[in-house]
Amino acid sequence: EVQLQESGPGLVKPSQSLSLTCSVTGYSITSNYWGWIRKFPGNKMEWMGYISYSGSTSYNPSLKSRISITRDTSKNQFFLQLNSVTTEDTATYYCARLGGYFDYWGQGVMVTVSS
Amino acid sequence: DIQMTQSPASLSASLGETVTIECRASEDIYSNLAWYQQKPGNSPQLLIYDANSLADGVPSRFSGSGSGTQYSLKINSLQSEDVASYFCQQYNNYPPTFGAGTKLELK
Repeated sequence: EVQLQESGPGLVKPSQSLSLTCSVTGYSITSNYWGWIRKFPGNKMEWMGYISYSGSTSYNPSLKSRISITRDTSKNQFFLQLNSVTTEDTATYYCARLGGYFDYWGQGVMVTVSS
Repeated sequence: DIQMTQSPASLSASLGETVTIECRASEDIYSNLAWYQQKPGNSPQLLIYDANSLADGVPSRFSGSGSGTQYSLKINSLQSEDVASYFCQQYNNYPPTFGAGTKLELK
């Protein structure tokens, strides 16, 4: 069974970087596409970007200058880094497998940006 | 970006009732639409993909329909375990975009 689990700090200070890890079991990240989605307070959802089976990436233009998604295939993990965060980046962050739609999701990690 | 307008924002229904939730896209998305269910504290679960294909393990009382810019999710014979939030997502164009969600409660 495909399982994803996010991990990372729940509190980040403004202007710092947010870094999260998605650990995948039951499926290799060298297949398919793997993405990050966030859900803001108030329930708006935003696709942030993905990393493909080959390591190529695609990002939401709204974030393009601040976001980086990388991976470690030896650990079957992929990572999110979001730079220069503000309070508007406070959200629950999910990793997911995608093929257009998202068929497997992690449980999510709530990240608060606050001083 | 394609805008997804979902309605209603909230819905109250009785057990056994049929419920319909709708999503309208700002342009034709050629049935590249998914529906998800999210219960409080849980991650979203895929219900429907390609507008009308039932995801693995999803009860047959859930169904999706639509084309072009108009899509709907129908829940037949509402069960207590269906109390959740539901949202749509288009994947015809990048970036993928989501509806604002519908909160379904029991009357």
